[in-house]
Amino acid sequence: QKEVEQDPGPLSVPEGAIVSLNCTYSNSAFQYFMWYRQYSRKGPELLMYTYSSGNKEDGRFTAQVDKSSKYISLFIRDSQPSDSATYLCAMNRGAQKLVFGQGTRLTINP
Amino acid sequence: GAVVSQHPSRVICKSGTSVKIECRSLDFQATTMFWYRQFPKKSLMLMATSNEGSKATYEQGVEKDKFLINHASLTLSTLTVTSAHPEDSSFYICSARKQARSYEQYFGPGTRLTVT
Repeated sequence: QKEVEQDPGPLSVPEGAIVSLNCTYSNSAFQYFMWYRQYSRKGPELLMYTYSSGNKEDGRFTAQVDKSSKYISLFIRDSQPSDSATYLCAMNRGAQKLVFGQGTRLTINP
Repeated sequence: GAVVSQHPSRVICKSGTSVKIECRSLDFQATTMFWYRQFPKKSLMLMATSNEGSKATYEQGVEKDKFLINHASLTLSTLTVTSAHPEDSSFYICSARKQARSYEQYFGPGTRLTVT
């Protein structure tokens, strides 16, 4: 079993829809949870990070962490074609190495 | 912001030659840099962790004599692929960790290596 599981998709939704991306994990020691966006042939870009459980909002993006369920989510409101990318969840324990999910390929259709 | 650059962005080399890839943190000092490899439509695979002034720590299965890593300063780490072969063709990405906020990593744009 992988430490971090993420549905690779692909996920295709119409413009304006609410997108929900999710990851589950098995290591209860993880404390920091991050979402990266990666466009084709580019490096990952840090979108949001959350420490421990709770919600964090930044514009159209909301990150949620539920440590009791070992489940994290990223919501994208009013999705735009420019949001089309691969979204990677990542997590670690403090300064330790990041553990990534497989990435979900998302396409927003105009 | 936190900007990380990589050079070159794309390189084609012949089998048996060596290739050096540079990773620079442009607006912050990075005591730790990471090197990843990514295959098409796959997630990132950590190759090694590079700490300034010390030897890199390689992940299991990564040949340290083939993938030479040097982290000579707080803003520069290099990855040298020695005696490259076609199976080394891949997308190589570095990341850097800020000193003050150790849980975040900022990634470079990646280097596409093609070995012919």
